[in-house]
Formats: sequence, structure tokens, C-alpha cells
Amino acid sequence: DAKTTQPPSMDCAEGRAANLPCNHSTISGNEYVYWYRQIHSQGPQYIIHGLKNNETNEMASLIITEDRKSSTLILPHATLRDTAVYYCIVSRNYGGSQGNLIFGKGTKLSVKP
Amino acid sequence: NAGVTQTPKFQVLKTGQSMTLQCAQDMNHEYMSWYRQDPGMGLRLIHYSVGAGITDQGEVPNGYNVSRSTTEDFPLRLLSAAPSQTSVYFCASRNRGKNTGELFFGEGSRLTVL
Repeated sequence: DAKTTQPPSMDCAEGRAANLPCNHSTISGNEYVYWYRQIHSQGPQYIIHGLKNNETNEMASLIITEDRKSSTLILPHATLRDTAVYYCIVSRNYGGSQGNLIFGKGTKLSVKP
Repeated sequence: NAGVTQTPKFQVLKTGQSMTLQCAQDMNHEYMSWYRQDPGMGLRLIHYSVGAGITDQGEVPNGYNVSRSTTEDFPLRLLSAAPSQTSVYFCASRNRGKNTGELFFGEGSRLTVL
């Protein structure tokens, strides 16, 4: 599975959009981009995933570049409760077989009032 | 639905003791896995299972055993606990199948080995 690179930490003002970048330059054609977050010491929580098209759900938007070598997770209106570690993961998903999710160190997002 | 349930939530062991961390899910998920998380680190995959009777090793399997006799349960056994196994352990499950994406996690089991 391809490796990802994320900044170790970011700050965001409450109410503003939080844009979390992720580089995955070695991603292959059958690999998806997944985003999870971990609030304090809780179990990680799924946010969103995508292959090559941009995706949006009630939590966030995922923008994947055309060459698929990087992506950005967007929290449109960050709140204090969005303070967490955000993990970008690349893993295969084809033919009914999804690869294991290998977590890196992620980005610690601090939302400030 | 209870989701993924882990027991115990907290445990203190002495070096050399054995114990089993329990994980149960009620979502009929085929895939289950165990991760450990050390302070300031991401999660590392210990073992995983794609269905009853099938298990495989992850990134850091040494010192741990697993079995999968039912779809619902995936216990993690520490055979002879060592201080290096002090960690928070997370169990997770998901459906197999294309484009499922979401891995459901338990609340974690915090283990201290003295």
C-alpha cells in the first residue's frame, strides 16, 4: 500500500474551514484515499473516502488532485469538537477485497476559539 | 446495535502473566482486526481476520495470538506479557466487499504491564 505524508500539526480558527493536506505520490490505480480522525483517546472514526472524484458527506469534503498524488480533507466550518488527530490512509479496494488500513502519525488539528 | 465491544477497558498485568482481550461485534462483519497505539504514535496493526477460521499477521504480531471461531468474536491473547506491550489496544471491524470504506472501532482497552 502507498505511503502518505501529512503535516504533524495545524491550527484553525473556529468557524473557518480547515484544509488538511495529504501527499500520496506513489498511489496506484486501485488504491483509495481514506480519512479517519481520532478525538482524544477514543477509537478512530471514519470520515470519508474516495478514488479519484471529489467526495462530500455530512462531515467533510475530500478533494483529490487529477494525478491522484495528493488530496485535501476540508472541514467547512470547524468547531472546537473537531480538534483531533486526522489520519490520511491509502489502501487498495477492488474485487471485494479491501486492504488493511495502515495508520501513520496523522495531523493534529487544533481548532481555536 | 452495540457495535464493537471491547473488554476489559483497563487492565494491569505483571510481567510474564497471560491474558485475553475480548472483542465482539454485532454487525455481522466478516473482517476484524486488532491495533495497538503507543503514546504519540499512530495505530499499528497486530493481527486481522477476514472471516471465521481465517487469521493473519499484521505489522507487529510478535507476542500476540488470535483466533476466530465465530463471526462475532476476535479475542487477542498475550501469552507472556512484557512491559513493551503496555499500550492501548483497539479492535475494529468492517464488511468485506467493494467500496465499503468504513472501519468501526471499539473504545479501546488500556493495558499496563509492570
